[in-house]
Amino acid sequence: QQQVKQSPQSLIVQKGGISIINCAYENTAFDYFPWYQQFPGKGPALLIAIRPDVSEKKEGRFTISFNKSAKQFSLHIMDSQPGDSATYFCAASGDYKLSFGAGTTVTVRA
Amino acid sequence: KAGVTQTPRYLIKTRGQQVTLSCSPISGHRSVSWYQQTPGQGLQFLFEYFSETQRNKGNFPGRFSGRQFSNSRSEMNVSTLELGDSALYLCASSFTQQGDEQFFGPGTRLTVL
Repeated sequence: QQQVKQSPQSLIVQKGGISIINCAYENTAFDYFPWYQQFPGKGPALLIAIRPDVSEKKEGRFTISFNKSAKQFSLHIMDSQPGDSATYFCAASGDYKLSFGAGTTVTVRA
Repeated sequence: KAGVTQTPRYLIKTRGQQVTLSCSPISGHRSVSWYQQTPGQGLQFLFEYFSETQRNKGNFPGRFSGRQFSNSRSEMNVSTLELGDSALYLCASSFTQQGDEQFFGPGTRLTVL
């Protein structure tokens, strides 16, 4: 049973465009929501994270929006660059473990 | 500060063999977690250790085991390997008591023939 549902599975965006990835969760005990970026052959790298008492967090071109009542959160990548082409995973933390979404492959066309 | 290191990076084994993977966390991190990543199942939690105590275990058969040493280094062992155990095994470490802010190593690519 997948505890975190992520969409879309893949997306293509033009350079300079906005990429949006959405995640939904069911377990209200989750208390930390990170996003990871993974390049082929590498381990996931922590990109940005949010706790449920905050509705939005921005770091550079990356923004997390969090809707506690809807149990949804999303990642916005502004001014997308070819170097952003990677697989992105949302996750939720609870009970000393991370539950991951299935991943979104983002391709940025120059 | 050095990141999470995992050894070996690549491993080829045959069915029925056993394997031990090693993880050295970021200095000062006491929580170590292990995950299995496959194209079909994605990232799945194996187990988490904090100060040598296993605090949580994922839904994997008993062939998968792990331990943590007093210096926070961790090992995981898979016995009686099956073809389906071929995967990228990732170790992550965390500084927080809750083990939530996790930093991943590069992984060990295990191939079972």
